[in-house]
Amino acid sequence: DTGVSQDPRHKITKRGQNVTFRCDPISEHNRLYWYRQTLGQGPEFLTYFQNEAQLEKSRLLSDRFSAERPKGSFSTLEIQRTEQGDSAMYLCASRATSAASTDTQYFGPGTRLTVL
Amino acid sequence: LAKTTQPISMDSYEGQEVNITCSHNNIATNDYITWYQQFPSQGPRFIIQGYKTKVTNEVASLFIPADRKSSTLSLPRVSLSDTAVYYCLVGPSGSARQLTFGSGTQLTVLP
Repeated sequence: DTGVSQDPRHKITKRGQNVTFRCDPISEHNRLYWYRQTLGQGPEFLTYFQNEAQLEKSRLLSDRFSAERPKGSFSTLEIQRTEQGDSAMYLCASRATSAASTDTQYFGPGTRLTVL
Repeated sequence: LAKTTQPISMDSYEGQEVNITCSHNNIATNDYITWYQQFPSQGPRFIIQGYKTKVTNEVASLFIPADRKSSTLSLPRVSLSDTAVYYCLVGPSGSARQLTFGSGTQLTVLP
């Protein structure tokens, strides 16, 4: 257990439905990342927050995707009008602001989304 | 970001030392080399990071030659529980940047 939790762990939905995932990072970490991982591939970056500010978004994050981190603590990732191509593992990671050289991001267990 | 190349898969037996090599010919001067481990249905976990020569921690060793165009992750005396995907990442450290993962190396440890 890394200290990063995600909910739900699994989500099955029908095409066209909206889904929302939650990530609770390690409490003192001010940086929070969302990644998407499909079978056989490494995680791909989606978006990143520093505190409550969303500082960067990948081209992968279409306008059907929205992420928030309202109080700089937990974050939500919403997918509207889901498509079968959205089926993937959605990973959240957090990192502290530090002068240390390590790139340690702490990942949660992920939410596996299946769109039927 | 420097592109990395790793073997797609490797098999080993329990108790053996496993070496996974990563090529990164275009590594930049300020780039570090970082390895992550991922078990099925879990998020990746940081293993080790280095800039040059050798780095060792309680889990693994990382060997980086003088030209830094490759690196080798060494896992001593693997067990079945070391079966996982191992990712080599290269990029500047100490920043807020996102991590860029390749496809990784699937290590299977056999009894």
